[in-house]
Amino acid sequence: SDVLTQPPSVSVAPGKTARFTCGGNNIGSKSVHWYQQKPGQAPVLVIYYDSDRPSGIPERFSGSISGNTATLTISRVEAGDEADYYCQVWDSSSDHWVFGGGTKLTVL
Amino acid sequence: EGQLVESGGGLMQPGGSLRLSCAVSGFIASRNYMSWVRQAPGKGLEWVSVIYSGGSTYYADSVKGRFTISRDNSRNTLHLQMNSLRAQDTAVYYCARAESLADPFDVWGQGTMVTVSS
Repeated sequence: SDVLTQPPSVSVAPGKTARFTCGGNNIGSKSVHWYQQKPGQAPVLVIYYDSDRPSGIPERFSGSISGNTATLTISRVEAGDEADYYCQVWDSSSDHWVFGGGTKLTVL
Repeated sequence: EGQLVESGGGLMQPGGSLRLSCAVSGFIASRNYMSWVRQAPGKGLEWVSVIYSGGSTYYADSVKGRFTISRDNSRNTLHLQMNSLRAQDTAVYYCARAESLADPFDVWGQGTMVTVSS
């Protein structure tokens, strides 16, 4: 199965931009989805198919992909954005869904 | 959009069995791709199993041969039969929906806790 690599933590001051990377072989040929998970809560989809945003998710959240790295960007970070963020792909070779290890966002 | 409600979690001894259920409302489970995802305490998300709309099933290597995913179409419910439980299976178990292959998990349940300990 695919392996998705995410840095364990990102720290950013309020109002600044946070970037979360997700690396994997041939990730550019796959569809990447991103989830936000706050403590004690179920994950929430924030970006799907690399860069689409579900209804209800602020425009501050955006996604992109380049080469073997997908990136979730949160602009104008707020204290309420503090959470864990996970990337996910579907591995067609194994019919498995794969999650990255997650990145914890700390708002300073 | 739909709702998922898990049940059946609890404390089990190693080697024991447990059956989780996920009640589906607002959409038809058998027309979607329904997965179980788990999260060990303090750890990340781990995909566990999926049942396709056509009935095919797939499992993570960590549970293959021990867990069985199924659905009851008459009750619009998803199940996960967990046998030969290990301490490493201790986690919150979520059910989640994808509308099709490669689609995101757009509906999640609140999770049910499974603790395997002697």
